Amino acid sequence: AQSVSQHNHHVILSEAASLELGCNYSYGGTVNLFWYVQYPGQHLQLLLKYFSGDPLVKGIKGFEAEFIKSKFSFNLRKPSVQWSDTAEYFCAVSHRGSTLGRLYFGRGTQLTVWP
Amino acid sequence: GAGVSQTPSNKVTEKGKYVELRCDPISGHTALYWYRQSLGQGPEFLIYFQGTGAADDSGLPNDRFFAVRPEGSVSTLKIQRTERGDSAVYLCASSPKGGELFFGEGSRLTVL
Repeated sequence: AQSVSQHNHHVILSEAASLELGCNYSYGGTVNLFWYVQYPGQHLQLLLKYFSGDPLVKGIKGFEAEFIKSKFSFNLRKPSVQWSDTAEYFCAVSHRGSTLGRLYFGRGTQLTVWP
Repeated sequence: GAGVSQTPSNKVTEKGKYVELRCDPISGHTALYWYRQSLGQGPEFLIYFQGTGAADDSGLPNDRFFAVRPEGSVSTLKIQRTERGDSAVYLCASSPKGGELFFGEGSRLTVL
């Protein structure tokens, strides 16, 4: 069965600190990879995605993620966080060739940034 | 509005009752998805519509759950004989031909 692991359930940082959120998946086939963000009181939004090509993907608001196939990982990074980055972050995977849009989500990481 | 609209935003019901949750997708989006998010978990796939037909309903947990999309736009998720374990946030998402998913804010169901 497909699983997506986000090892950090709650991360607390001060503004300007660097961020890295871990994501590992278990599927051995070809995957598409996503990070979604949910700001307080809002709906899930796409932060960035990887389908193919350059494994370093840049998203909105200065976020980036790196796909390391050998490690089955897709970690999210940001060099300097802001208070407005406080949100819950979800890693998600879909299987190439399977139902388009059928995503397997991790359980999420709550990021709290103190001003 | 321009986004995915879900109603009701909150629903409290008693065990054994029937519940309907509605999703109004972004205009022109042919693909529609239902996900369920239990407390402390990420969203879990329930069902996918392409147009009017359910292209993949393998995520529905049992036969108490059913969803329709009769005209290829609005969808209704129906839950019969609700159980306390059905309590969750039910998310709807739409997509243009299965591309990026655009999520609604969800319907929070509480079964007492």
